[in-house]
Amino acid sequence: DAGVTQSPTHLIKTRGQQVTLRCSPKSGHDTVSWYQQALGQGPQFIFQYYEEEERQRGNFPDRFSGHQFPNYSSELNVNALLLGDSALYLCASSLGGTNGYTFGSGTRLTVV
Amino acid sequence: QKEVEQNSGPLSVPEGAIASLNCTYSDRGSQSFFWYRQYSGKSPELIMFIYSNGDKEDGRFTAQLNKASQYVSLLIRDSQPSDSATYLCALGGNKLIFGAGTRLAVHP
Repeated sequence: DAGVTQSPTHLIKTRGQQVTLRCSPKSGHDTVSWYQQALGQGPQFIFQYYEEEERQRGNFPDRFSGHQFPNYSSELNVNALLLGDSALYLCASSLGGTNGYTFGSGTRLTVV
Repeated sequence: QKEVEQNSGPLSVPEGAIASLNCTYSDRGSQSFFWYRQYSGKSPELIMFIYSNGDKEDGRFTAQLNKASQYVSLLIRDSQPSDSATYLCALGGNKLIFGAGTRLAVHP
């Protein structure tokens, strides 16, 4: 039973560029949440997707957008990258957005 | 704005001792609480969750919840060097709200 898979594992981008991160949820899960974790901080909620729609959003600018596909997989897009966007991006899946969240191994994004 | 507060540490304990990790939260309406362990450079992994006041035990781990005091703790008995990690407290619900984590160092 595959858990949550994220790709790529590491990424280096230049300021101003755009990036797309991908997530496949755990089998049987239909909800995907994205978190940003800066060094030394706890994960911060970006947004959650359910039934291909953004259901909730945290305090992140519109540069952060996402998408959920019919197979429940999801993408996180960040435009106009800033140095401060450098972080570990975590995807967590659950069934119906309940408390049973499973995290992927994350994507380490470095903006130079 | 819901907040979760944790002492950043490091909390240093000798091998075999009890490690006590604490967390306070601001939202009295919070119903579920989670403890995650995160090794350096890795993703969080769930250790325990607790919904009801009192203690919940799972192996060497005990979670304690006091809703009146808005306080949740995690006790790790017989601490091992492999327990050295950052421990994240989180409020549950439609999304997880994390504290900044407490770094635990277990020394031989």
